[in-house]
Formats: sequence, C-alpha cells, structure tokens
Amino acid sequence: QVQLQESGPGLVKPSQTLSLTCTVSSGSIRNGAYYWNWIRQHPGKGLEWIGYIFFTGTTQYNPSLKSRLTISLDTSKNQFSLKLSSVTAADTAVYYCARWSGSSIDYWGQGTLVTVSS
Amino acid sequence: EIVLTQSPGTLSLSPGERATLSCRASQSVSSSYLAWYQQKPGQAPRLVIYGAYSRATGIPDRFSGSESGTEFTLTISRLEPEDFAVYYCYQDGNSPYTFGQGTKLEIK
Repeated sequence: QVQLQESGPGLVKPSQTLSLTCTVSSGSIRNGAYYWNWIRQHPGKGLEWIGYIFFTGTTQYNPSLKSRLTISLDTSKNQFSLKLSSVTAADTAVYYCARWSGSSIDYWGQGTLVTVSS
Repeated sequence: EIVLTQSPGTLSLSPGERATLSCRASQSVSSSYLAWYQQKPGQAPRLVIYGAYSRATGIPDRFSGSESGTEFTLTISRLEPEDFAVYYCYQDGNSPYTFGQGTKLEIK
C-alpha cells in the first residue's frame, strides 16, 4: 500500500523559504492516475488545500498562496516538493502531502509541523 | 471560491446513537467531488466517504453519505467509541479546493 512521508526543517525564520519534500513509497509518482497534493492545518484549526502537481509537471495552486508557492517533482527519487517563500508566523502549520486518486484524496502522509519563528 | 459550511460545530452524542452531520456549499458542487474525512488528534485525516455516497475502503457500513441540492450529509447510524473525532467535508470540483471548518463529534 502506498505510503507518503514528509521531511524538512521544523523551524523556519520569518521572511525565509519553507521547503518540504514528500517521498512516495510503494507506488510510482509517474502514474498518470494520481495527482500529488500539499495540504496544511494551522494549529487547532481546519484544513487548507495548498496545491497539487501531476507527473507531467502541471500544477494547480491555491490563489491565496500562489505568489509565494512552488510545487515540483523529482521522478528519479519518487518525490515531490513544496517551497513557500517569504514566510510569516501565519504559515506555522502541520503540512501534509497527499495523493488524489481520481475520486478524492485517499492517502495522506503523517504530517510535519513547521513553525515560523526567529 | 466555494465555501463549505458545516453544522453543527460540535455534536455531543452517546455510543449507540445516530449522528447526522451537515455540509452546505455556497454554490453547486458535483457530488462526484464531495468527500468526508475523519480526523483524530495527532493523526492525518482519513477518507470516509467519496463521491458524496461511496464508502472508502475499510469504512464500516454504519457510515453513509447523501446529498440534497447543495447540502451534503454524513450519517453514522449507530455510534461506536472509535467514531468520536472531527469530521471535515471537502470539495475538489472547483479550484481552489476547499474544506469545511469541521464538526467535532464528542462523547456525551
């Protein structure tokens, strides 16, 4: 069964770039049946869709983050990544990577907490 | 942006009772793109219902989904202790994809 695992720094300074990677196991990121998503959850709050990438490199971003956001993929490592620039405390959240399978988001990583603080 | 409004915010029930959770969309959402997720503390969300009606793999048949216009409903027919959690509805028919604010199902 597919597994997703987020990795990256847990602490980022304000105005810097938040970078996370999601490693996909037991399934190819090049499978055209899936879209690869990032979703975040502010502490004690609800869920916010960030964006997705398809294996062709096609992306779709949440307009609220689009100016600061880049999602990319590395098919050789079966990974996809998130970069969010010019972060503030409002970007402190648990970040999840997740797979969309044609019907809905069906597999999620365990999530990683990123804190923006000096 | 489609806003999903969930009600109630908190639902206090006892095991064995029936739970009815509502999700109202600010505009039309295709039922094909409406899902429900369950989230327990410290865990990632878990898919419960997709396509408004279909149970995800491993979800017991006490969970069911329905739709009436722009209102979607998750029903748990007879609550088990493991069902107490926060439930989110989600739409990915129109970008940006959006979640409801959640309904907390707590033990009474």
